[in-house]
Amino acid sequence: QQPVQSPQAVILREGEDAVINCSSSKALYSVHWYRQKHGEAPVFLMILLKGGEQKGHEKISASFNEKKQQSSLYLTASQLSYSGTYFCGTERGGATNKLIFGTGTLLAVQP
Amino acid sequence: GAVVSQHPSWVICKSGTSVKIECRSLDFQATTMFWYRQFPKQSLMLMATSNEGSKATYEQGVEKDKFLINHASLTLSTLTVTSAHPEDSSFYICSLGQGGTEAFFGQGTRLTVV
Repeated sequence: QQPVQSPQAVILREGEDAVINCSSSKALYSVHWYRQKHGEAPVFLMILLKGGEQKGHEKISASFNEKKQQSSLYLTASQLSYSGTYFCGTERGGATNKLIFGTGTLLAVQP
Repeated sequence: GAVVSQHPSWVICKSGTSVKIECRSLDFQATTMFWYRQFPKQSLMLMATSNEGSKATYEQGVEKDKFLINHASLTLSTLTVTSAHPEDSSFYICSLGQGGTEAFFGQGTRLTVV
């Protein structure tokens, strides 16, 4: 029931790109993406509401394939500040804000 | 966006005692709030849905008698961990938000039971 993310962990050099995938066995109403640093609250990155929707902010973007029940997060020209654990989240029961988080992807960006 | 204040940020308690965690919505009237638990190196797991003026809804496998939730007003939800044991040590965090929008989180509470 929990969305599965891949890869589980990735190590990058500054300036490299990464893709994080989120796959659900259930139909998705929406997909949220968050980044969490150790011991802190998750930080909102973006939300995708429609199949086929793509969004981006600066060098972080995401896509949502509703038919495949998948979403991907794209990080380009990574910076040290991108390090953390990334979670996708789906809203259970439609527009409820009740999030079921994915398994998580640990991203480490090295100088 | 909504501002959510969670208190305390961390707490250490003895095994067998109870601990109360508060989650306040400072600028948003929240009829519903959510409580999550996160063990080290794991994902955030939804524990329960806190409903203003009515009983909380617990996820499967979460003991409602152990994790007492009270949502007496539109701005405050509390989670009480009763008879805490070392296995309850975890990061607890609350959130709120409207469907289809960003979730707003409290700062989280690190509970350590010794």
